[in-house]
This record gives sequence, structure tokens and C-alpha cells, in this order.
Amino acid sequence: EPEVTQTPSHQVTQMGQEVILRCVPISNHLYFYWYRQILGQKVEFLVSFYNNEISEKSEIFDDQFSVERPDGSNFTLKIRSTKLEDSAMYFCASTGTGGLQPQHFGDGTRLSIL
Amino acid sequence: RKEVEQDPGPFNVPEGATVAFNCTYSNSASQSFFWYRQDCRKEPKLLMSVYSSGNEDGRFTAQLNRASQYISLLIRDSKLSDSATYLCVVNVGGSNYKLTFGKGTLLTVNP
Repeated sequence: EPEVTQTPSHQVTQMGQEVILRCVPISNHLYFYWYRQILGQKVEFLVSFYNNEISEKSEIFDDQFSVERPDGSNFTLKIRSTKLEDSAMYFCASTGTGGLQPQHFGDGTRLSIL
Repeated sequence: RKEVEQDPGPFNVPEGATVAFNCTYSNSASQSFFWYRQDCRKEPKLLMSVYSSGNEDGRFTAQLNRASQYISLLIRDSKLSDSATYLCVVNVGGSNYKLTFGKGTLLTVNP
């Protein structure tokens, strides 16, 4: 079964540094998403991406965040000048042509900011 | 009112028990509904979509009541492998199709 893949599985970074989290969505999917989950809390939506542009972003997704689809397969989340509170699991998800279809999640990147 | 609210749990049940999870959502414009399960420190995995007429998948039955904005999940004959956090998830729809998650209910099935 096709799956969403994410790298790295764990990233440890000093506060203030930039990080790039990478995702390869399922190949025929068109809608891409980033979510995050702080330890012990619920999964929260960050951003959705369709047709090479952001379609919606949450309040969490401020100017320190950006997303990009640099080629036909990768989907990246960049966090500039990381803060301690950015420590969380970051999940990438994708879904097919119908936006109401279930989203399939990658196994996440655990980001630890020191 | 929280967008998606679930039983806080945790639930501890013996193998073979029947367990029910309840969920309410606040946005009446919500268009699609799902139950995901999440194992500790893992990604959410789709368990089942929830349809207006109710649907069943083996030991799992999901119900939706749009008038009450209520979703349920019933697990029959629970197995040790059912131990996980069960997430009620709602999609409000529109061009963005973001998912809104409940906080989840932890289930532990004991031998």
C-alpha cells in the first residue's frame, strides 16, 4: 500500500536555528498538509497546500513557517529561527483528488529544540 | 465550546469487552467524519470513515447523528491490539479540507 514518508524521523536543533522537515506524499495525491502534535496534546492543523500554493493556514503558521514543493515529489516545511515551543511531532498528510477523502499521514518527525 | 470534544477517558477494559466512544462537534457545516487510531508516539491511522447511515467494519461500528452533532464508535469483542488512543476527526470542508481533531480517548485492553 502506498504511504507518506517523512524524513528525518528525529531532529534535534538548537534554538534559533532553521530546520527543514521533508515529506514525500503519496504519488497521485494532490492535497498536502502539515500538522503538529505537542506531547500530550491534540493534533493541530498547520497548513494545507494545493496546486502549488497554500490554500489555508492556521494561526500557528506564522512568518517563521514556510512550505514548498520544490519538485514533483517532495513537500517541505521550513521553520526559521526555531523556538523551544516548536518542539513537537510534525506530521505530513496527503489526500487524493476529492478533498473530503481521508488523509493519510506519514510517521512523523519528532523535532526537539534545545 | 471545543470544536471536537471526546470522552476524556482513559478506558480500561478486559479482552472481549464492548467499548463505546462518544464525540461531539461544534461546527454544523462539518462535512465528513472519521475515526483514527493513534499508538503511542506514532502517526494517526485511519480506522474508518463515518457515514450518515452508520457503517460497520468487522468489530467496529460507527454512527453519525448530524442533528445532534454527535459521532460514536463501538468496538465489540475487544482485542489486546485495540489498545490505542482513538481520535474523533472532523472535516469542515471547503477548499482547504483541513482536519480538526479531538484530543482522543485512550483505550487499554487488558488480558
